[in-house]
Amino acid sequence: AQSVTQLGSHVSVSEGALVLLRCNYSSSVPPYLFWYVQYPNQGLQLLLKYTTGATLVKGINGFEAEFKKSETSFHLTKPSAHMSDAAEYFCAVMSGGSYIPTFGRGTSLIVHP
Amino acid sequence: NAGVTQTPKFQVLKTGQSMTLQCAQDMNHNSMYWYRQDPGMGLRLIYYSASEGTTDKGEVPNGYNVSRLNKREFSLRLESAAPSQTSVYFCASQTPGTQAQPQHFGDGTRLSIL
Repeated sequence: AQSVTQLGSHVSVSEGALVLLRCNYSSSVPPYLFWYVQYPNQGLQLLLKYTTGATLVKGINGFEAEFKKSETSFHLTKPSAHMSDAAEYFCAVMSGGSYIPTFGRGTSLIVHP
Repeated sequence: NAGVTQTPKFQVLKTGQSMTLQCAQDMNHNSMYWYRQDPGMGLRLIYYSASEGTTDKGEVPNGYNVSRLNKREFSLRLESAAPSQTSVYFCASQTPGTQAQPQHFGDGTRLSIL
């Protein structure tokens, strides 16, 4: 079985501050991990994904995430928030031969001027 | 690049009415999915189709039916709409191959049932 927990339904930061969105997963086998972003009135778009190999993954718009097996985490970070980063962010996991991802409940990122 | 196209974008129904949500993808993907998104609930899988000619239930299939019309199209039908089905519905598709492939989403259908 696979599951995802996103800590914090809302995260608020100031423009220029560090962004940290937390994701912990549960999987009995090595997982594939994804972060998606959803802007208002749009569908989800892939930000980045971890498959195998390098544990630090870089994505679009300056975001990156680090796969930490020992902590079963895949937290999303960005050094400096921009107003345009305000959106809903979803973490997802696929594992165990399943092609169906399990999504977290999402974290709404609010960026203050 | 159209990607995944959903129609309609908005719809208001009365309780008991029926309607079909349409989804089409032009990426030659084998797998297609229907999700509903509700505040604080994330995405919940309604039905999916691993390939043309097959469909399977997801987490919340009650009150819905689907049809995989061909490789491009996957429709979702509400036979007798209920207020609990007020939601935003997303269609997604995925290329075959390894599990490392992400899903591609449409922009959603916002459905209100009065």
